[in-house]
Amino acid sequence: EVQLVESGGGFVQPGRSLRLSCTTSGFTFGDYSMGWFRQAPGKGLEWVGFIRSKTYGETTEIAASVEGRFTISRDDSKNIAYLQMDSLKIEDTAIYYCSRHATPATGTHIWGLGTLVTVSS
Amino acid sequence: EIVMTQSPASLSVSPEERVTLSCRASQSVSDHLAWYQHKPGQSPRLLIYGASTRATDTPVRFSGSGSGTEFTLTISRLQSEDFAVYYCLQYKNWPPRYTFGQGTKLEIK
Repeated sequence: EVQLVESGGGFVQPGRSLRLSCTTSGFTFGDYSMGWFRQAPGKGLEWVGFIRSKTYGETTEIAASVEGRFTISRDDSKNIAYLQMDSLKIEDTAIYYCSRHATPATGTHIWGLGTLVTVSS
Repeated sequence: EIVMTQSPASLSVSPEERVTLSCRASQSVSDHLAWYQHKPGQSPRLLIYGASTRATDTPVRFSGSGSGTEFTLTISRLQSEDFAVYYCLQYKNWPPRYTFGQGTKLEIK
């Protein structure tokens, strides 16, 4: 069974950093791109970015709203994707989800249950 | 950035009714359009991709149509488990800058 579990969320002050992890099982992690999405309280879903597989150079794409502050990486030996969030702002408060596949183009797009990040002073 | 606009924002309907949700793109996304169902406390569930192809395990009462800038999701006979928020997502951009609609909330009448 494919499973994705986000962790690392919590309460953090503006300007600080946080690293989220997406721990996976049930599939060959290294074969897949991995995506990140978020949902602010009372708002809709927002695309954050993704990282391609090693075959495609582990290159990343990031949304303009977080570019320069957020970076995505992966450790294929541990089956984990990461979202490093620096210079956090109050508006980054959200539930953060990871997904297997960057997009639904292949017909499957499995997400985790998310982890809550609260940015507040 | 491609702006996705969903309508209506919310809809109150009775079980067994037929409902159509709309999604409009500010510029053509071809058929790179997906629909998701999202319930509180759960992860979003992919229903439709490629504008009209049902994902695995998507019930046949869900159908998607459209291309270019106008898209619809139709639920032929609403079941109790279908009450949720529905989002469209365009994934056409290059470089990738994917965007969601703001969502349509389906509520029980």
